[in-house]
Amino acid sequence: ETGVTQTPRHLVMGMTNKKSLKCEQHLGHNAMYWYKQSAKKPLELMFVYNFKEQTENNSVPSRFSPECPNSSHLFLHLHTLQPEDSALYLCASSHLLDRAEAFFGQGTRLTVV
Amino acid sequence: GDSVTQMEGPVTLSEEAFLTINCTYTATGYPSLFWYVQYPGEGLQLLLKATKADDKGSNKGFEATYRKETTSFHLEKGSVQVSDSAVYFCAQSAGLDSNYQLIWGAGTKLIIKP
Repeated sequence: ETGVTQTPRHLVMGMTNKKSLKCEQHLGHNAMYWYKQSAKKPLELMFVYNFKEQTENNSVPSRFSPECPNSSHLFLHLHTLQPEDSALYLCASSHLLDRAEAFFGQGTRLTVV
Repeated sequence: GDSVTQMEGPVTLSEEAFLTINCTYTATGYPSLFWYVQYPGEGLQLLLKATKADDKGSNKGFEATYRKETTSFHLEKGSVQVSDSAVYFCAQSAGLDSNYQLIWGAGTKLIIKP
C-alpha cells in the first residue's frame, strides 16, 4: 500500500469517448503529478499541482484536462483521444519540501481503440 | 540543463550474480538522488535515496553511494534473485530549484534468469 490510489487500473476507450482517471492520496502531501509512461520511452511529466494550483503543463494536448479539487484528489479528464495516447498513466504525490521523494500509484493502463 | 543518464538495458544476469546499474547526473546545485523500481504491471516504488555527497542509500540488499566527484549514483547488489527482475529508474531532485520536480533517467530493465 503506497498511500496513492488510482482508479481504474485498466481502461479501454474509443476515440470518441470521454472518461476520467482518478487519483487519491492519504499521505498529507501538497503536490500531485500526472506522468505518462509509454513503451520504450522515458517517463513524461504531464502536469504538476502545488497546493491545488497547476504549476506545470508540459505541452500536453488539450484532449487531456487535469483537475485538482483539493490537495488529496487529482483527476485527468480524457476526450477524443488518439491510439498513440495508449500508455500507463501514473499519479504521484510529494511534500513540498526540499528534495522530497515522490510516491506513486499503481497506474491506469489506458488503451485507446 | 540538469539531467540523469542510465545505462541502457536490458541487463540480463543469472541468479546470485553481482549487479551494477550505472547512473550519472548533471546538476547546477546539490540534488538528492533516488533509485526507483517498477515491477511488471505496477507503479514506481522508491528503492533508496541519498541526500548529500558520500551518503549511502540501502534497501533490500541494494546499495548506492552519492559520489559528487564523479557525479554518479550507481546501483549495486551482491546477489540478485529472480524476484529482482524489474525496471530501475535513477532520478534527482533539487527541491525548490527544480520546482520540486524529479528529473528521471530512461530506466534500465533488469532480467534475472534462474
